[in-house]
Amino acid sequence: VIWMTQSPSLVSASAGDRVNISCRLSQGISTYLSWYQQKPGKAPDLLIYAVSTLQSGVPSRFSGGGSGTDFTLTISGLQAEDVATYYCQQYYAFPRTFGQGTKLEIK
Amino acid sequence: QVQLVQSGTEVKKPGGSVKVSCKTSGYTFATYPISWVRQAPGQGLEWLGWIGTYNGNTHYSEKVQDRITMTKDASTKTVYMELRSLRSDDTAVYYCGREYFDWISNYGMDVWGQGTTVTVSS
Repeated sequence: VIWMTQSPSLVSASAGDRVNISCRLSQGISTYLSWYQQKPGKAPDLLIYAVSTLQSGVPSRFSGGGSGTDFTLTISGLQAEDVATYYCQQYYAFPRTFGQGTKLEIK
Repeated sequence: QVQLVQSGTEVKKPGGSVKVSCKTSGYTFATYPISWVRQAPGQGLEWLGWIGTYNGNTHYSEKVQDRITMTKDASTKTVYMELRSLRSDDTAVYYCGREYFDWISNYGMDVWGQGTTVTVSS
């Protein structure tokens, strides 16, 4: 099993801030990592796949990076509509695994 | 457009079974696998399993592998997830999602169903 440690579990930031969310894995997964955004009562939405590629329609203030076992989701210029919980997921191997989630709040 | 539409809310008793459907449309059914994920109240996302829609191959989470079965019906472009011997901690929203890929990349789950609430209670 590939374990994923996502941090922080909760982040509170002001509009316009830059936010970083970390995802650390127990082993390398090449580029088979995605990030999802989930708003309350809704299904998750794919934000980023293959570590750094934005899904169609996702605003450019979202970006992904990293390699090996350490990956990061960055939101530059936080907006009120970005309030949500964010998850990383590896799809390199079975079982697929998710990070524990990061809840993003606006101050 | 690509859609995954899931069956409706279920209320089951402990020890019972539930079968959730995920009807696909808007793309070639047998090309892309489907994963199932659940989310208990106030909790994170938990991956349950995967089914290849071409040949029906499956991979399951060790946590539920003795109680879960995923199947497909190509004629109706529908995937099913059955969970047996239900317990109270199976209470969750269950999602299906398509695992997309093209000749450049694998995407992960690019389209999700709307979710099916399953409540297990005596």
